[in-house]
Amino acid sequence: GESVGLHLPTLSVQEGDNSIINCAYSNSASDYFIWYKQESGKGPQFIIDIRSNMDKRQGQRVTVLLNKTVKHLSLQIAATQPGDSAVYFCAENTGSNYKLTFGKGTLLTVNP
Amino acid sequence: GAVVSQHPSRVICKSGTSVKIECRSLDFQATTMFWYRQFPKKSLMLMATSNEGSKATYEQGVEKDKFLINHASLTLSTLTVTSAHPEDSSFYICSARITGVGYGYTFGSGTRLTVV
Repeated sequence: GESVGLHLPTLSVQEGDNSIINCAYSNSASDYFIWYKQESGKGPQFIIDIRSNMDKRQGQRVTVLLNKTVKHLSLQIAATQPGDSAVYFCAENTGSNYKLTFGKGTLLTVNP
Repeated sequence: GAVVSQHPSRVICKSGTSVKIECRSLDFQATTMFWYRQFPKKSLMLMATSNEGSKATYEQGVEKDKFLINHASLTLSTLTVTSAHPEDSSFYICSARITGVGYGYTFGSGTRLTVV
């Protein structure tokens, strides 16, 4: 089975609100995590990543939080915009073979 | 930088025929390429990992003879779906590992395969 999963399959927010997308992982050996955005009919687009020696990393309007104690990862999007509507995947890598394991995905819908 | 160009974006083929999907790294050398399959409203499932100049490593349950992967150069990897059947219809995506600075992977734009 998949080692990375998501709590919420769908998330609907109002434009301008903050969004939080969650992800649980089961492999305690994973040391690198990535969030991807995928629009319909396209390949995944990198959003932000974090290594296991960190618990927080910020980018432009996005923040990733990593809680290794409970093996939980989250993506926070500030001031969500309609263009943020997409499916978001978390992915993990154990570092030994560079393979990524993807979570189930969360569909984010931003209402104007 | 670090762009992977994937072609074709869409292909329709008849049952029993073969289809080749190409992924080219445009501005870097891709020593490792990953091939994924994605069904509608589902996640990406890794099919195989290819390293330039060597045989691909397939994930459990993926038929090697059906999904032929060739990584003959540092800029080109191909996936050939042989004797395609309707159940092979899916979205196929390649990804290259990027070495050095920056994030570790870049993805192609995907190929929508429909077998009729």
